[in-house]
Amino acid sequence: QSVLTQPPSVSGAPGQRVTISCTGSSSNLGARHDVHWYQQLPGTVPKLLIYGNTNRPSGVPDRFSGSKSGTSASLAITGLQAEDEADYFCQSYDDTLRTYVFGTGTKVTVL
Amino acid sequence: HITLKESGPTLVKPTQTLTLTCTFSGFSLSTSGEGVAWIRQSPGKAPECLAVIFWDGTQRYIPSLKNRLTVTKDTSKSQVVLTMTNLGPVDTATYYCAHRPGSFFTSWFDPWGQGIQVTVSS
Repeated sequence: QSVLTQPPSVSGAPGQRVTISCTGSSSNLGARHDVHWYQQLPGTVPKLLIYGNTNRPSGVPDRFSGSKSGTSASLAITGLQAEDEADYFCQSYDDTLRTYVFGTGTKVTVL
Repeated sequence: HITLKESGPTLVKPTQTLTLTCTFSGFSLSTSGEGVAWIRQSPGKAPECLAVIFWDGTQRYIPSLKNRLTVTKDTSKSQVVLTMTNLGPVDTATYYCAHRPGSFFTSWFDPWGQGIQVTVSS
């Protein structure tokens, strides 16, 4: 049972902007712990997409951006492309569980 | 260039013990700040961080499985070993090891190993 909640799915047409929310609590995002995002293409290993709330690793297109405020965070994808169709997970640290936690995951569908 | 690779059995019988080895390169677990995590993912589910071991030997376990897990490191071999006891069908999943950089509370996982599919069945 995850302590970070994401919408099960979001969809958009090519070129559109979609956002994925990650809602936590005072023991994780609200405790000012950073949020990180992963992209998992079908049948592949999760790949780091955003770290430290807003930072993109080398090679990640600037179409992907992250933000965090209080107990929530968001991942935005602008100029949606067919290759962005994947599952996306947020991740942080939880003070109560004293370990790292993942979000429930969001499937992005490109219409 | 950091790489990690999991090895171990892919089929385990119920009640048996699972031992997985993560062999990594490109960093040292004797370096301050470094860590290796074990993460599993059941089909269609979100990843779940099972355990993390840090450069100083500190371990963290997911509370729900703490009594069944042990993680150890062999710095000289660049290996981390996860042991999980009393397996059941619900433990069927892909198990990954991942590099955990950064400071303790702000850390992420990058990169991940290719994963090993473990099935628990008689």
